[in-house]
Amino acid sequence: NAGVMQNPRHLVRRRGQEARLRCSPMKGHSHVYWYRQLPEEGLKFMVYLQKENIIDESGMPKERFSAEFPKEGPSILRIQQVVRGDSAAYFCASSKGWDYNSPLHFGNGTRLTVT
Amino acid sequence: AQTVTQSQPEMSVQEAETVTLSCTYDTSESDYYLFWYKQPPSRQMILVIRQEAYKQQNATENRFSVNFQKAAKSFSLKISDSQLGDAAMYFCAYRSNPGTASKLTFGTGTRLQVTL
Repeated sequence: NAGVMQNPRHLVRRRGQEARLRCSPMKGHSHVYWYRQLPEEGLKFMVYLQKENIIDESGMPKERFSAEFPKEGPSILRIQQVVRGDSAAYFCASSKGWDYNSPLHFGNGTRLTVT
Repeated sequence: AQTVTQSQPEMSVQEAETVTLSCTYDTSESDYYLFWYKQPPSRQMILVIRQEAYKQQNATENRFSVNFQKAAKSFSLKISDSQLGDAAMYFCAYRSNPGTASKLTFGTGTRLQVTL
């Protein structure tokens, strides 16, 4: 059973470009979470999605950021018009459900560098 | 909102010795879950151990154990017989009982060095 797959592993974008980060959850998992990690900091929650629905986006910046988890295909975190402050590692996690026996499994992250 | 505090930015332990990493949290909820994750240089987040708040018995996983003090809102991680491979960032995390919010709230982490 493959783990959570994130791609690309590294992404370099110039200021003003768009960044698209992809996350394929573990097989059988329908809950996806996105986190951002700035250098030397902990992971900050951004958004929680369940197939085709955004459940909690309380950690998502109001502008330029969006996320989706379509019925078919991976979850996408999209950052429009990137700025230097968006440089960070972005982690995706998935779970089968939301109960205690459904812990979050994390991907290896995408490191975004904005030049 | 829940908060998680790790007051030790860095810790060091000699190989084969025991080390304890501290974590405190703030919540008004009575039912929740607590976790310790390890992040080695590879950046992968690895679940080390987890604890249900309603269980009084402290969780153990091989060389890893926790000291869960619910009244004090404390959840420390003890690593026994430390190994070089234990060197990593360790994050404490809180998760509400499902039905309210399912996300994890992380502390800022403790960097553990293991020396020979």
